[in-house]
Amino acid sequence: RKEVEQDPGPFNVPEGATVAFNCTYSNSASQSFFWYRQDCRKEPKLLMSVYSSGNEDGRFTAQLNRASQYISLLIRDSKLSDSATYLCVVNPPPSNTGKLIFGQGTTLQVKP
Amino acid sequence: ETGVTQSPTHLIKTRGQQVTLRCSSQSGHNTVSWYQQALGQGPQFIFQYYREEENGRGNFPPRFSGLQFPNYSSELNVNALELDDSALYLCASTLEVSNTEAFFGQGTRLTVV
Repeated sequence: RKEVEQDPGPFNVPEGATVAFNCTYSNSASQSFFWYRQDCRKEPKLLMSVYSSGNEDGRFTAQLNRASQYISLLIRDSKLSDSATYLCVVNPPPSNTGKLIFGQGTTLQVKP
Repeated sequence: ETGVTQSPTHLIKTRGQQVTLRCSSQSGHNTVSWYQQALGQGPQFIFQYYREEENGRGNFPPRFSGLQFPNYSSELNVNALELDDSALYLCASTLEVSNTEAFFGQGTRLTVV
């Protein structure tokens, strides 16, 4: 079983749509969780951290369910510029390293 | 721009050769991690360097090795290159070893023929 699993997609949605991505992780002792965005042939960039209480940044909402070991990202009112690959990322124990485990990534294509 | 710079940006090598990739961390960041990203996959952790020593390693063979220098810059060395080593190699720096907000360089795209 992969440490972090995501549906690779692609997700093809029209502008203005709401889209949700899901991710599961295998190590229940993991402490930190993130969503990164990666544009084609570019480096990953931090989109947002994910907290147990859930967090929102504009059109983006991230949720964490520790009991189910499940992370989600919701994008509302999709823009053409949201087209990218979204990577679910987990920092597993031990907590004295910044080692990050990435999922395969979910590709989003927003169409006019 | 993150301030993390990698060189070279592209490289073509022959199977069996050796390669050295370089990374300069963001100013003030003392920890550098290296990742390998194959086409269509997420980045995979190779190893991390902190205070010039390896501090954690992923599932990569010993022919993948690294160095960190006093100025926190780092090198990734790969010996006896194999075709499957063709990938994007990403360097990420963090402010401290336990900090998980990582800033990535633009990567080195290595092709082994």
